[in-house]
Amino acid sequence: EPEVTQTPSHQVTQMGQEVILRCVPISNHLYFYWYRQILGQKVEFLVSFYNNEISEKSEIFDDQFSVERPDGSNFTLKIRSTKLEDSAMYFCASWPGTGTDTQYFGPGTRLTVL
Amino acid sequence: DAKTTQPTSMDCAEGRAANLPCNHSTISGNEYVYWYRQIHSQGPQYIIHGLKNNETNEMASLIITEDRKSSTLILPHATLRDTAVYYCIVRVLTGTASKLTFGTGTRLQVTL
Repeated sequence: EPEVTQTPSHQVTQMGQEVILRCVPISNHLYFYWYRQILGQKVEFLVSFYNNEISEKSEIFDDQFSVERPDGSNFTLKIRSTKLEDSAMYFCASWPGTGTDTQYFGPGTRLTVL
Repeated sequence: DAKTTQPTSMDCAEGRAANLPCNHSTISGNEYVYWYRQIHSQGPQYIIHGLKNNETNEMASLIITEDRKSSTLILPHATLRDTAVYYCIVRVLTGTASKLTFGTGTRLQVTL
């Protein structure tokens, strides 16, 4: 069964550094998402992406964040200058664009900012 | 999207049915009930969804009351691997890239 994959599984970085989290959505899916979950808290929506544009973004998704689909398979989330409070699990999800509006999530990347 | 209320936690013996309730008394006529679960910090996993009819798939059954103000997710024969946080989400099926809004969910502990 096709799956969303994410790399790395764990990223440790110093405050102020840039990080890029990578996702490979399910092939033929058209809609892509990033969510995050701070330890012990709810899963929070960050951004949705379709047709090479941001469809919707939350208040969390400020100018420090950006998303890109650099090629036909990868979907990336970049944090330009990480803060301690960016430490969280980051989940990528995708949806084919038809059918039941079901989003398929990847296993997540744990980002630790020191 | 309508707000949902779920119990914080529930226990279930392995092999028994797990019945997870969800209250969504302010649900609108065009809002669907979705269930996802999250096993120990893994990515959320879709389980089932419905509008007003009861639904069943290979993972679970969804029972929606006639007035649609509440629903119950049923795992017919819970196993230890069903231990997870279960999220009830009410949302409009827009056909576009609409976000999922997660609450705190119900932490289901399946025990021997």
